[in-house]
Amino acid sequence: QQQVKQSPQSLIVQKGGISIINCAYENTAFDYFPWYQQFPGKGPALLIAIRPDVSEKKEGRFTISFNKSAKQFSLHIMDSQPGDSATYFCAASTPIGANNLFFGTGTRLTVIP
Amino acid sequence: SQTIHQWPATLVQPVGSPLSLECTVEGTSNPNLYWYRQAAGRGLQLLFYSIGIDQISSEVPQNLSASRPQDRQFILSSKKLLLSDSGFYLCAWRWGMNTEAFFGQGTRLTVV
Repeated sequence: QQQVKQSPQSLIVQKGGISIINCAYENTAFDYFPWYQQFPGKGPALLIAIRPDVSEKKEGRFTISFNKSAKQFSLHIMDSQPGDSATYFCAASTPIGANNLFFGTGTRLTVIP
Repeated sequence: SQTIHQWPATLVQPVGSPLSLECTVEGTSNPNLYWYRQAAGRGLQLLFYSIGIDQISSEVPQNLSASRPQDRQFILSSKKLLLSDSGFYLCAWRWGMNTEAFFGQGTRLTVV
């Protein structure tokens, strides 16, 4: 059973546009929500993360929006650039346990010039 | 600062041959260690995780095994590779229970 559901599977955006990736979860014990960026042939790297005590976190062009009541969170990439083309994974973690970080299935973003 | 090393970067192995992929972490002690597999264009499948030396948990039944002979060393092995073992293998570490994962650069394994 997929603990974190991610959509869309792939996304094509024009340069300068806004990329939006959505994730949803059911487990109310999740209290840490990171996003990872993976370039082809490389390992994923932490991009930005949020905890449920805030509804939004912004770092440069990247923003996480978090809706605790709806159990949804999303990544917004403003002014998308071709260099943002990568696979993005959302994830969610519970406070305890070593096997407590659950990943979405990934979104392949392509930003066209 | 902490770093994670994973090697080799690419590997082509014949069916039936053994496998050994190694991962080491520097700059931290007693990390939680993880092996993931990523099929082409797919998500991350957790294979094994370890909370300490010789403490290995398996998430899926498979042709692979893992070992942790030292605190910061995690090894993924197979006695006889199958074609279905092909994929992109990622090692990761976390410090503590509710923190982010740090990934290695991955090993692209092709079984022929």
